[in-house]
Amino acid sequence: GAGVSQSPSNKVTEKGKDVELRCDPISGHTALYWYRQSLGQGLEFLIYFQGNSAPDKSGLPSDRFSAERTGGSVSTLTIQRTQQEDSAVYLCASSLAVTSESDEQYFGPGTRLTVT
Amino acid sequence: ELKVEQNPLFLSMQEGKNYTIYCNYSTTSDRLYWYRQDPGKSLESLFVLLSNGAVKQEGRLMASLDTKARLSTLHITAAVHDLSATYFCAVPSRYNNNDMRFGAGTRLTVKP
Repeated sequence: GAGVSQSPSNKVTEKGKDVELRCDPISGHTALYWYRQSLGQGLEFLIYFQGNSAPDKSGLPSDRFSAERTGGSVSTLTIQRTQQEDSAVYLCASSLAVTSESDEQYFGPGTRLTVT
Repeated sequence: ELKVEQNPLFLSMQEGKNYTIYCNYSTTSDRLYWYRQDPGKSLESLFVLLSNGAVKQEGRLMASLDTKARLSTLHITAAVHDLSATYFCAVPSRYNNNDMRFGAGTRLTVKP
């Protein structure tokens, strides 16, 4: 079946512009996660959704970052007034359910964001 | 705060050799995940370890979990070039299962 998809795969933007990143989770997966991976680094947890709800937004790096999910499916991560330090690969993952025994996460291919 | 540490961060080994990657974490957790990432690619799930003493094997890789020691190991047996990748371990936060903390990754290079 289809895996997690993300778009765009690459995004180059000028400093100060807003960007919107999209994630389509695996059908039927109620939990959705956003991570950021800077070059050669590990993953930084940003936010997760259970259904359309994001119980904890404290992982978002600044108030320029926001995320939403509609219809329990597609999610968008929006970065306003982008800065060069926002350059990274943004990974989305989904899992069957927050309370499932394994809650194994399946990752999308990522969006590589470059802020010039 | 949960911290997840992997070592080594870089590992260069010859084909045919054995080696172990270690993952330590700082707070109680009964679950741990191992992922593989090829250059320019996303993460691929390797193992899900759900309890103390859990051991899973897939091909030349074997993962184990000791929740009392807060330690997981990823053992590589008779390495082959195809295993070259970055390996991450991940542990869910004790207070929020959905806040998954990843180690920094171990970049493995297997040389002929």
